[in-house]
Amino acid sequence: EAGVAQSPRYKIIEKRQSVAFWCNPISGHATLYWYQQILGQGPKLLIQFQNNGVVDDSQLPKDRFSAERLKGVDSTLKIQPAKLEDSAVYLCASSQDRYNEQFFGPGTRLTVL
Amino acid sequence: GNSVTQMEGPVTLSEEAFLTINCTYTATGYPSLFWYVQYPGEGLQLLLKATKADDKGSNKGFEATYRKETTSFHLEKGSVQVSDSAVYFCALSMSNAGNMLTFGGGTRLMVKP
Repeated sequence: EAGVAQSPRYKIIEKRQSVAFWCNPISGHATLYWYQQILGQGPKLLIQFQNNGVVDDSQLPKDRFSAERLKGVDSTLKIQPAKLEDSAVYLCASSQDRYNEQFFGPGTRLTVL
Repeated sequence: GNSVTQMEGPVTLSEEAFLTINCTYTATGYPSLFWYVQYPGEGLQLLLKATKADDKGSNKGFEATYRKETTSFHLEKGSVQVSDSAVYFCALSMSNAGNMLTFGGGTRLMVKP
């Protein structure tokens, strides 16, 4: 069974630029999560989707971050414009539903210069 | 709010030594508790979990017991190997909060031959 796929694996941008990350969850998984993991810290949830609806986005900085999961499968997380403090690893996870084990992708490491 | 505190690393041990990584939590209600492991260059993987008080989770020689009275979920292994070198994250989730994970800051384990 294929795992959670993310791309790109690495991205370097300058502050005030825009960037987008893509996530393809495990087939059949209804719930999708985006986490931000700053170096030396544990992951912090940004947003949770159930199919194509948002369950929780209370920790998402909505002035610059946006996320969508239009067809209830793939998801995109965007940052516009990026700040230095956005440098982190962005993790995508999926689960069959919100009560089952979450499976994590390898992450996208973002460096903002 | 909910939070997880775990001992800071790095923890450096010799092969075959006994491992303990402390984890305590604060939660309103009765959380499920998890240990995740992140090997170098890889995504987070679920190591073990416990869903109610006095439950013991175990996997790959690692164990942790859910102690409600001390709000703890310490990770232990009787004899570590070099291949156990990784970052370990303690986490909790609440079923009444969409099962979203709250992570501790992580503990890096380095095992020397």
